[in-house]
Amino acid sequence: GENVEQHPSTLSVQEGDSAVIKCTYSDSASNYFPWYKQELGKGPQLIIDIRSNVGEKKDQRIAVTLNKTAKHFSLHITETQPEDSAVYFCAAMGGTYKYIFGTGTRLKVLA
Amino acid sequence: DGGITQSPKYLFRKEGQNVTLSCEQNLNHDAMYWYRQDPGQGLRLIYYSQIVNDFQKGDIAEGYSVSREKKESFPLTVTSAQKNPTAFYLCASSILRDGYTFGSGTRLTVV
Repeated sequence: GENVEQHPSTLSVQEGDSAVIKCTYSDSASNYFPWYKQELGKGPQLIIDIRSNVGEKKDQRIAVTLNKTAKHFSLHITETQPEDSAVYFCAAMGGTYKYIFGTGTRLKVLA
Repeated sequence: DGGITQSPKYLFRKEGQNVTLSCEQNLNHDAMYWYRQDPGQGLRLIYYSQIVNDFQKGDIAEGYSVSREKKESFPLTVTSAQKNPTAFYLCASSILRDGYTFGSGTRLTVV
C-alpha cells in the first residue's frame, strides 16, 4: 500500500548548525508534499510545502527539495535555534485527497 | 480570525461510556479529518469527509463514529466499542488538495 518513510526518528544538532530530515514515498501519483511542525501538546502546523512541478522551495531558514524520480523529498533547516525544537512530520498526497504521513522526527536543538 | 476549534481540551471517559469530541471550523473548508496520535507515534486517520453529509472510514475507524451535517462541524464520537481510546485526537480541515489546518487537539483519558 501507500507508504511514507521518514528518517531519522530523532535528530540532535547544535544551535546554529543545519538539520536535514528526509522522506521517501511509494505512490508515484503523489503530487503535493507538506511539512508540519508539532510542539508539545499542540496540533501540527504547516511550515512549508512543495508541489510536484517544483524541485525546491525556500522560506527564510527552511527549504524543501523534491526528487520525483527517486521519490524523495527533504526538509532543510539552516541556522537552527532552540525554538526549532519540535516533532516534524512529512506527508504525501496523491489522488485520494488524503495525506500519508511519515512517522515523525524529533528535533532537538542544543544551546 | 478564521480557524479550527476543538473542544474540550481534556476529556475523561469512564468504562462503557460514549463521548463526543467537537470540531468546528470557520475557514470555509470543504474537507475535514480526524486523526489519532498515541505517545511518540505518528498520525493515524480515523475518518474524513470531503463534503457535507458524506464521510469515509480511515485506517482505524473501528469504535468511532462521525457526522457531517454542516460544513463547519465534524464531531467525533468515541464509542464503548473502542477498547483503547486513551490518546490525543486531532481534527483538521482543508481545501481539497491543499495543506491542512489542524486544531489544538483533545486529550482523552479513560478513568
